[in-house]
Amino acid sequence: DAKTTQPNSMESNEEEPVHLPCNHSTISGTDYIHWYRQLPSQGPEYVIHGLTSNVNNRMASLAIAEDRKSSTLILHRATLRDAAVYYCILLSNFGNEKLTFGTGTRLTIIP
Amino acid sequence: EAGVVQSPRYKIIEKKQPVAFWCNPISGHNTLYWYRQNLGQGPELLIRYENEEAVDDSQLPKDRFSAERLKGVDSTLKIQPAELGDSAVYLCASSPPGRRYGYTFGSGTRLTVV
Repeated sequence: DAKTTQPNSMESNEEEPVHLPCNHSTISGTDYIHWYRQLPSQGPEYVIHGLTSNVNNRMASLAIAEDRKSSTLILHRATLRDAAVYYCILLSNFGNEKLTFGTGTRLTIIP
Repeated sequence: EAGVVQSPRYKIIEKKQPVAFWCNPISGHNTLYWYRQNLGQGPELLIRYENEEAVDDSQLPKDRFSAERLKGVDSTLKIQPAELGDSAVYLCASSPPGRRYGYTFGSGTRLTVV
């Protein structure tokens, strides 16, 4: 499984945008970029995923670099409920794919 | 739609005792996963089922862990005997056919072995 690199922790002020970076320099052409987040005392939840183009949904936006070696999860207006650990994961659409979690980025929202 | 349901939510047992965790996946999700999450770490896959068949159990410590998914729906993960190092959160997840996205996780069972 290709590896991703994320900062261990980040802080952001409430109601401001948050940009969570992820590096994946060894990404292959068939790897999708997935983001999950884990709120305290909960299981991980799906946030967003993409392949090459930027993606938007009701939770967040995903900006993917042109060379696909990095991506950024964007929370447009952070709330206290967005405080969580955010995981960036590569998942191939071929073969025996499975979600493999790293340690993620712990996001703290400052009121 | 009900999510992935796990029980119990918490379990405290003495070492060397057996313990079992139960998972009910989302209806129609043929793939079921058991993960273990140690404190401060991301979840690690223990076993993956496609319907009732275990297709990836390479990370399951088979000397003390066992799992089953009868009829391809509910699943049970068992530890016998439990060790202190088994203290962790055990998470169940399911995904529909075409599993490139949309894993849904339960809230997990927090196991404490004393």
